[in-house]
Amino acid sequence: DSGVTQTPKHLITATGQRVTLRCSPRSGDLSVYWYQQSLDQGLQFLIQYYNGEERAKGNILERFSAQQFPDLHSELNLSSLELGDSALYFCASSEREGFADTQYFGPGTRLTVL
Amino acid sequence: SQKIEQNSEALNIQEGKTATLTCNYTNYSPAYLQWYRQDPGRGPVFLLLIRENEKEKRKERLKVTFDTTLKQSLFHITASQPADSATYLCALRMNYGGATNKLIFGTGTLLAVQP
Repeated sequence: DSGVTQTPKHLITATGQRVTLRCSPRSGDLSVYWYQQSLDQGLQFLIQYYNGEERAKGNILERFSAQQFPDLHSELNLSSLELGDSALYFCASSEREGFADTQYFGPGTRLTVL
Repeated sequence: SQKIEQNSEALNIQEGKTATLTCNYTNYSPAYLQWYRQDPGRGPVFLLLIRENEKEKRKERLKVTFDTTLKQSLFHITASQPADSATYLCALRMNYGGATNKLIFGTGTLLAVQP
């Protein structure tokens, strides 16, 4: 158990809908990262927050947005969902800001868009 | 853009042998390289990090080498065990500054250790 929690574990929805994925980092970790993993694309970095502020951006679509709240939990919002958005979404956390810090991954949320 | 290549085919080895996994990258040398283990349906687990100025790193039965001339990292598991069976991912952090920093993952190599 990494100490990172993600909810829900599974999510099934329809195209055009909007969903919110939630992540609670390990106690004491200030950085939260979001990743998308699909069979054809592998693990793709989406976005990083550190202590409430956006720090780095990867291949995140404009339909997707994220935020980190004062209690350090984070939410990833996915809107206007398409079939291709079906994937495993992972959240990771680390103590500090830099990517050299060990990242602890959560168990993931499996999103299925029908 | 930076590309990472890992053996797409599964690597099958006998228990007790040394498993060697390869990670090749193109273009610019990364600031550092990380190796992760991922079991089916679970999140990746960090194993080792090696920086661009380091040649080799060890941790118990694991060893990572980094050759910036060949643009390659090798990941070794000695005395392999069936419990080592998993997908192993390499990830590169490019030496860009500011908000463009990101970690780029390879697609992973599936290792199967036969008893």
